[in-house]
Amino acid sequence: GQNIDQPTEMTATEGAIVQINCTYQTSGFNGLFWYQQHAGEAPTFLSYNVLDGLEEKGRFSSFLSRSKGYSYLLLKELQMKDSASYLCAVRDRLTGGGNKLTFGTGTQLKVEL
Amino acid sequence: DVKVTQSSRYLVKRTGEKVFLECVQDMDHENMFWYRQDPGLGLRLIYFSYDVKMKEKGDIPEGYSVSREKKERFSLILESASTNQTSMYLCASSSTGQGGYGYTFGSGTRLTVV
Repeated sequence: GQNIDQPTEMTATEGAIVQINCTYQTSGFNGLFWYQQHAGEAPTFLSYNVLDGLEEKGRFSSFLSRSKGYSYLLLKELQMKDSASYLCAVRDRLTGGGNKLTFGTGTQLKVEL
Repeated sequence: DVKVTQSSRYLVKRTGEKVFLECVQDMDHENMFWYRQDPGLGLRLIYFSYDVKMKEKGDIPEGYSVSREKKERFSLILESASTNQTSMYLCASSSTGQGGYGYTFGSGTRLTVV
């Protein structure tokens, strides 16, 4: 089975930097994803890591350590529109083919003035 | 623009009714998934399919069934709706290829069972 843990809530100030952590335990690891979800909307893809290290994409970066079962999402220069839920998801290879994503419960980020 | 389309945005059904939630994708993806999302519980996998006519149980399949007769369409069926199935239902699809192929989600169906 899988176990994915991330903080329930975080609050940060506009213009600041925030780091959202995710730890996981899984078999057949085949990648880690971060999604953003605004209230009432579908999740949208933010980032993907399959090898150890940092992936940078504009104001968003994501880090992975496979040996530690750990990832973080880093958001820089926070804007009010970044207030959303951030979902960590782990992809597993399936023995019968295909892949499956299991999601953490999400971290609700509130950006304040 | 690639899309996953869910047939209804909002649905209200009565207890005991048979409910069909439809999902269609135009990306020729092999894999399709149904999740429900509830406050504090996150996204939970109900059923998934990695090929036509194939289906696999997810983490919470009880009370649900699925159908995948064509590659582009994946239907979720509530055989006899109950109030504890009131939830947001999200369909997603993905490619089998390796790399950053995450999920593309539909816009969701908010189902209320009264």
